[in-house]
Amino acid sequence: DAMVIQNPRYQVTQFGKPVTLSCSQTLNHNVMYWYQQKSSQAPKLLFHYYDKDFNNEADTPDNFQSRRPNTSFCFLDIRSPGLGDAAMYLCATSNPTALAGPKNIQYFGAGTRLSVL
Amino acid sequence: AQRVTQPEKLLSVFKGAPVELKCNYSYSGSPELFWYVQYSRQRLQLLLRHISRESIKGFTADLNKGETSFHLKKPFAQEEDSAMYYCALSEPTSGTYKYIFGTGTRLKVLA
Repeated sequence: DAMVIQNPRYQVTQFGKPVTLSCSQTLNHNVMYWYQQKSSQAPKLLFHYYDKDFNNEADTPDNFQSRRPNTSFCFLDIRSPGLGDAAMYLCATSNPTALAGPKNIQYFGAGTRLSVL
Repeated sequence: AQRVTQPEKLLSVFKGAPVELKCNYSYSGSPELFWYVQYSRQRLQLLLRHISRESIKGFTADLNKGETSFHLKKPFAQEEDSAMYYCALSEPTSGTYKYIFGTGTRLKVLA
């Protein structure tokens, strides 16, 4: 099945120790998104890539970075995780250039739950 | 500011009872709204979108611009409907679209 795959499902890191979360997709979609979701809160968009173009949300802390080396992969780097960064991180894709069908549906991965000790 | 509000964190209903999950939005343009669902231990997935005006798994949602609402309804709830439901507003950005999500409503359908 074509999918959005996030690894690992659970990640534990130490306070201040850099951590990378990964996302891959087999949908060949142009856009990849990263969301942060804390308990009982709405998923909050951190940034997205449209092809190689990076688009940061205005309120995303500098501590969060992203890389997209190719169409299939996108990484979320947290340079110095704090206790407040413990959350579920969701990756999603969309295809705004689709010739047919809706252009703004997003397809989500299962998420990575990050714990910071 | 653009905003999506889901006033209920938890909604419990008995099997066979009608269900209405509320969603209100604040948006300056012409809104495009979605309902996403997350079943236990599964990923977030699209349930329905207002443009298609479809019924999925017995659920419908009508966009009411006057009341700025997009409530999700089902006449007879089933146990398998128990899940987390998120309302989302699609907003154009940088040649594509981004979502503004509500905080979600957990639906529990009791036997």
